Amino acid sequence: QKEVEQDPGPLSVPEGAIVSLNCTYSNSAFQYFMWYRQYSRKGPELLMYTYSSGNKEDGRFTAQVDKSSKYISLFIRDSQPSDSATYLCAMRFTGAQKLVFGQGTRLTINP
Amino acid sequence: GAGVSQTPSNKVTEKGKYVELRCDPISGHTALYWYRQSLGQGPEFLIYFQGTGAADDSGLPNDRFFAVRPEGSVSTLKIQRTERGDSAVYLCASSPSGAGTSGSRSYNEQFFGPGTRLTVL
Repeated sequence: QKEVEQDPGPLSVPEGAIVSLNCTYSNSAFQYFMWYRQYSRKGPELLMYTYSSGNKEDGRFTAQVDKSSKYISLFIRDSQPSDSATYLCAMRFTGAQKLVFGQGTRLTINP
Repeated sequence: GAGVSQTPSNKVTEKGKYVELRCDPISGHTALYWYRQSLGQGPEFLIYFQGTGAADDSGLPNDRFFAVRPEGSVSTLKIQRTERGDSAVYLCASSPSGAGTSGSRSYNEQFFGPGTRLTVL
């Protein structure tokens, strides 16, 4: 079993829809949680960064961390075709350098 | 400003050959990371440099893989006796300093390059 599980999709929704992306993890020692967006043939770029539990909002994006359930979510409001990409969750332990990524969810927003 | 750059963007080689992949981090970033991303998977950690030294090489799959960063800037990932299973995108990332206990995004953010797509025939 992988440390971080993420449904690979693909996920296809109409423009303007609310998108919900999720990851579960097995190690309760993870403290830092991130969401990256990766366009085809590009490197991942950081979207959201959360320390420990709670919610964080940035424009149309909201990240949630529920450490009691070992579950993290990314919500995208008013989705746009330009949001079409692969979304990767990532996490790390305090004091560790490496990021542990989920498999990535391929998202398509249809105009 | 310039981001992380990686060369070559694509590399095709034959089984058994030696390859070198280069990473130019963002200027002034002391921390540098290598990851490997197989098709349809998330990146997997290979090695982390703080300055010139490899502080964590626990992700290197075997002794065919080696990386250097002699002057604390550019890094080279070296793969000996390549195998077909080495085919993947090799990603390099840099950050201002090693990830610590700060909750600050800028302090911890890893900036990724576009990757080198390695194909071993």
